[in-house]
Amino acid sequence: KAGVTQTPRYLIKTRGQQVTLSCSPISGHRSVSWYQQTPGQGLQFLFEYFSETQRNKGNFPGRFSGRQFSNSRSEMNVSTLELGDSALYLCASSLTGSVKDTQYFGPGTRLTVL
Amino acid sequence: AQRVTQPEKLLSVFKGAPVELKCNYSYSGSPELFWYVQYSRQRLQLLLRHISRESIKGFTADLNKGETSFHLKKPFAQEEDSAMYYCALSGTGNQFYFGTGTSLTVIP
Repeated sequence: KAGVTQTPRYLIKTRGQQVTLSCSPISGHRSVSWYQQTPGQGLQFLFEYFSETQRNKGNFPGRFSGRQFSNSRSEMNVSTLELGDSALYLCASSLTGSVKDTQYFGPGTRLTVL
Repeated sequence: AQRVTQPEKLLSVFKGAPVELKCNYSYSGSPELFWYVQYSRQRLQLLLRHISRESIKGFTADLNKGETSFHLKKPFAQEEDSAMYYCALSGTGNQFYFGTGTSLTVIP
């Protein structure tokens, strides 16, 4: 079974631009969560999608948004990029998002904002 | 507010010695606690979860609600245990809170 895939793996953008990151979950998984990982803050929860609906949202500004498609693939968008948005963005998938399910993480997308 | 604290950024132990990675949490309800591990050049992966009360790769973790702790322990560290370890909490919904991680180095 293929693991969680994320594209692109690396991105370089400049301040003010916007970016879209993609996550393909493990086949059959319907829950996708997104995290931002930085050296200072560690992993911070962005949001979770299940069956095309955002179920949970972390404490991030509205510039961070996401969506999920009918095939469970998810995209995350960051508008008006700031230097502080430079981070590793991880997505994780699980069957239903229940705490009893195991979350499987992707390799991450490394975003650098110049 | 929900919070997970891992007080040690770096931890070094000798092979064969016991190891304990500390995790303290702050949560008003009944949380579910997890330990995740990231080996060098690998993805973050689940090591163990409180609700399963399991032992994985010789590691165990006991939830102490009085001390709000979920320390990870192993009686005899192995070189292959060298990795980054993250403690995580899941509260309402499926929102996870992670600690900042502890880098464990097992010295041969």
